[in-house]
Amino acid sequence: DQQVKQNSPSLSVQEGRISILNCDYTNSMFDYFLWYKKYPAEGPTFLISISSIKDKNEDGRFTVFLNKSAKHLSLHIVPSQPGDSAVYFCAASFYGGSQGNLIFGKGTKLSVKP
Amino acid sequence: EAGVAQSPRYKIIEKRQSVAFWCNPISGHATLYWYQQILGQGPKLLIQFQNNGVVDDSQLPKDRFSAERLKGVDSTLKIQPAKLEDSAVYLCASSPGQGYGYTFGSGTRLTVV
Repeated sequence: DQQVKQNSPSLSVQEGRISILNCDYTNSMFDYFLWYKKYPAEGPTFLISISSIKDKNEDGRFTVFLNKSAKHLSLHIVPSQPGDSAVYFCAASFYGGSQGNLIFGKGTKLSVKP
Repeated sequence: EAGVAQSPRYKIIEKRQSVAFWCNPISGHATLYWYQQILGQGPKLLIQFQNNGVVDDSQLPKDRFSAERLKGVDSTLKIQPAKLEDSAVYLCASSPGQGYGYTFGSGTRLTVV
């Protein structure tokens, strides 16, 4: 039973355009969501997060949107750059809970073409 | 700030052999995690330590996997005996405490043949 789903295994975008990566979750108890970026042969690196009390968080070219009623979040990258080519993982946790461990989706491989 | 260190980077073993992975977290980070990432999947938590105590090991296959964190710093993850399905990247991560963002190491890629 997958609680965090990334239904698009891959996405290809032209440099300078917007990249939109999507993520759905099933557990309404999740209250903290994160995006991680992973290059080959490296560990995932934290990109941006959002608390469930917000619906948007922005950091430079990266914006995360959260729609709690739809149990859906998305990561927007504007403008996309070739260096953004990587696998992006959506993750969720019970921030206010006792554990803090993350539950990850399967990832979406983003390719940004020059 | 030094990152999370893991060794070895790569390991190839035959099934039924044993293997151990080592992790050195960021200095001062109380929480340490081991994740397993099978090809095409997202990382899956195996075990979480808070200092040298286990917080969550519900997804650790305890018949073959074991982990320890001596003195609340370094940690080792062991598999004995290994199975073909254990082929994966084993990621170690640390954080200042529960509920904070993680920093991951580069991982150990295990291939069981």
